[in-house]
Amino acid sequence: ETGVTQTPRHLVMGMTNKKSLKCEQHLGHNAMYWYKQSAKKPLELMFVYSLEERVENNSVPSRFSPECPNSSHLFLHLHTLQPEDSALYLCASSHAPGVGETQYFGPGTRLLVL
Amino acid sequence: GEDVEQSLFLSVREGDSSVINCTYTDSSSTYLYWYKQEPGAGLQLLTYIFSNMDMKQDQRLTVLLNKKDKHLSLRIADTQTGDSAIYFCAERIEGTYKYIFGTGTRLKVLA
Repeated sequence: ETGVTQTPRHLVMGMTNKKSLKCEQHLGHNAMYWYKQSAKKPLELMFVYSLEERVENNSVPSRFSPECPNSSHLFLHLHTLQPEDSALYLCASSHAPGVGETQYFGPGTRLLVL
Repeated sequence: GEDVEQSLFLSVREGDSSVINCTYTDSSSTYLYWYKQEPGAGLQLLTYIFSNMDMKQDQRLTVLLNKKDKHLSLRIADTQTGDSAIYFCAERIEGTYKYIFGTGTRLKVLA
């Protein structure tokens, strides 16, 4: 596989469920990102990891919990979500600033919270 | 604060040129990007420009940057129906992992 992959592509969950989103990059990058894309809103940066360390955390509710076990994998653990969390969750990867300047995205996970 | 603005919609006829505009506020941005998003897909990087450049051309795509006015544009020559998508402008804040995106411009190409 090449590029950035995400699983699952679609997810429906109740407010009491626990689920995880997975992202994998095959580009040799060392930074990985989670974004939330909601209708008619700009893309919201949620978390950034560089070399498995979190470098950005943009006031995201604790019901979203990221995990980066290595530079190729990124997870987003979800629990007790709210209906307003329904959105497209996009993963991306890049090199560090000054090394490479382009960010590549996965296809996203479409999440619906009932 | 950091902000990127785009118009929401653009409609053009097939074969015409499309121009999508973007304004940004942060003067410390180093790179500016254009991404394309088709229905049900992630964001596809189209092109990017370093902030000390005025113009970049890549086949049918031309990027113009006016750093003084903080204005970025994407021109698509000979627009095709396959160009119908949402186009996002983004800036990268210097020395950070932070990318700021606009709300996207929905381009509709009429046959």
